[in-house]
This record gives sequence, C-alpha cells and structure tokens, in this order.
Amino acid sequence: AAGVIQSPRHLIKEKRETATLKCYPIPRHDTVYWYQQGPGQDPQFLISFYEKMQSDKGSIPDRFSAQQFSDYHSELNMSSLELGDSALYFCASSPGGHREQYFGPGTRLTVT
Amino acid sequence: GQSLEQPSEVTAVEGAIVQINCTYQTSGFYGLSWYQQHDGGAPTFLSYNGLDGLEETGRFSSFLSRSDSYGYLLLQELQMKDSASYFCAVNTGGFKTIFGAGTRLFVKA
Repeated sequence: AAGVIQSPRHLIKEKRETATLKCYPIPRHDTVYWYQQGPGQDPQFLISFYEKMQSDKGSIPDRFSAQQFSDYHSELNMSSLELGDSALYFCASSPGGHREQYFGPGTRLTVT
Repeated sequence: GQSLEQPSEVTAVEGAIVQINCTYQTSGFYGLSWYQQHDGGAPTFLSYNGLDGLEETGRFSSFLSRSDSYGYLLLQELQMKDSASYFCAVNTGGFKTIFGAGTRLFVKA
C-alpha cells in the first residue's frame, strides 16, 4: 500500500539559511498535517490543510510557511533557520477527517 | 492552556498486560487517539475513541470517558517488540491534534 512520502529524508543547513520540505500524501487523502518533533519530545502540531486550503495553525513560527498544491502535495518552507529548528519534521495525511493519521518517515533537519 | 498527561515510563514483563492512562484538558474535544513510535521511526496509529467506551483492535484496546476527560490504552500479551513510546492525542477541533508527552514502555523478558 502507498504511504506518505517525504523528501528529503535528511537535510543539513546553516543558520539563517532557508529550507523546503516536501510531502506527498497517500492518494485520495484530503487532509495533510505538519508536525515538528524534537529529541525525546512529542510531535508538535504546526499546520494542517484540508482540500488544499489551510485549516488550522498550531505553534508554527512566523518564519515558517506552508502550502498545499493542486496535486495535493504540500511543502513546508522555513526561512532564517535557527539552531532550535533542528528536529524531525513529520507530515501526515488522513482520509476525509481526523480519525487516524498516517505519518511519513520524516525529514531530519539539522541546523549548524 | 491545553494539556494531556500520561506517565513518562512504564515497565512490564513479556506476556503481561499494561495500561497507559491519559487525562486531558483541552479547549475542544473531538476524539482521543493513540499512536506508537519506535526510536527513530514515525508515529503509527493504534486506536481511536470518539465516544465513551472500549474499542478493541487485536492485542490493543482503548477506553474513553469524556465526562472524566480520561482514557487509557491497554496492551495485552506484551511482546518485546512493543517496547516503544506511546502517545495519546486529542483532536481539538477542525484539523488540529495535540499530543501528550508520551509514555516510554519497556518490556522485559
């Protein structure tokens, strides 16, 4: 079965640089979520999209933005990177609601 | 504020039964989910409760009491591969989900 695809899997950036993370949800899933997970911490909700429209925002810094495209893939854009942005970034998708979310393998971002 | 509380660690022996509790205080509530996450891996959906009562899925069961803002995950016939972190998560409305801090389960032989 198809799963959520995230790219790249690993990313190393320097402070003040920008990064773009991509997410390809499971086909026919209409909801996409982005999470940030620091070491030993729980996933922190950043933002969600339903049918290509932004739905809810969580603890997403103003330096971050996200969008969902016509083919349902989503991108998380991160600018002016800080050391504290180093984390695992997960994308998840769900079909027609929020009962269960299917997570991608994550992108490990390291800011040096 | 919004909070979900669950024990930080639980240890049990192989073949035993373990219960992981979760109490929540959120501005909205549309359902309680449970996720499993192995080190270095992605969270994997285990169970969901939208209404009060018990949901059973194989060796895993989950319970919800909305009046008590409380739920639990029950793992039966524990196996070594069940050693992982377990997160409760609340959908607070729309498409927003808040996770608890996670419970690290250690299964001993």
